[in-house]
Amino acid sequence: AQSVTQLGSHVSVSEGALVLLRCNYSSSVPPYLFWYVQYPNQGLQLLLKYTSAATLVKGINGFEAEFKKSETSFHLTKPSAHMSDAAEYFCAVRPAGSARQLTFGSGTQLTVLP
Amino acid sequence: EAQVTQNPRYLITVTGKKLTVTCSQNMNHEYMSWYRQDPGLGLRQIYYSMNVEVTDKGDVPEGYKVSRKEKRNFPLILESPSPNQTSLYFCASREGVGNEQFFGPGTRLTVL
Repeated sequence: AQSVTQLGSHVSVSEGALVLLRCNYSSSVPPYLFWYVQYPNQGLQLLLKYTSAATLVKGINGFEAEFKKSETSFHLTKPSAHMSDAAEYFCAVRPAGSARQLTFGSGTQLTVLP
Repeated sequence: EAQVTQNPRYLITVTGKKLTVTCSQNMNHEYMSWYRQDPGLGLRQIYYSMNVEVTDKGDVPEGYKVSRKEKRNFPLILESPSPNQTSLYFCASREGVGNEQFFGPGTRLTVL
């Protein structure tokens, strides 16, 4: 079985500051890992994914995440926050090669302060 | 435009009145799934389908049914809705095991 833990249900940063959203996973087999963003009243949009290639993954809107097997982590970062980054962010895992759909974390609400 | 559509987007109903939420994708994807989103719980998978006539339970299937008679459609059926099924529902589809999952816009269901 797989699971995802997102540390911090709410994170606030100042505009221009570093964004760090934490995600730890557990999986009995090598995982595929994903970060999704959800803007208010909208569906989920894929930010980036890790599927066993490069461990540092770059996504859209300047976000990136690094897969660290030893720490079972897949933290999401962005060097400089923008007001438009305010949204809810979800980390998700699926065992590699599995037909099952994603297992999601509980989400982190990002607030960007002016 | 490649997309997943859901209907209705908003629905208020009463306990016990059967309802169906439709989901359709135009990308010829094999895999489709339904999730519900509740505050503090993230998204939880209800059912998924690997192809026509192939479905399986997710993490929270109780009170729901699905069918996959055509590749593009994956309706979610609530035979006897209850207030604890008040939630935001998302349909999603993807092509293969490692590929991106595309989400529909969501259906906000309220059961009184």
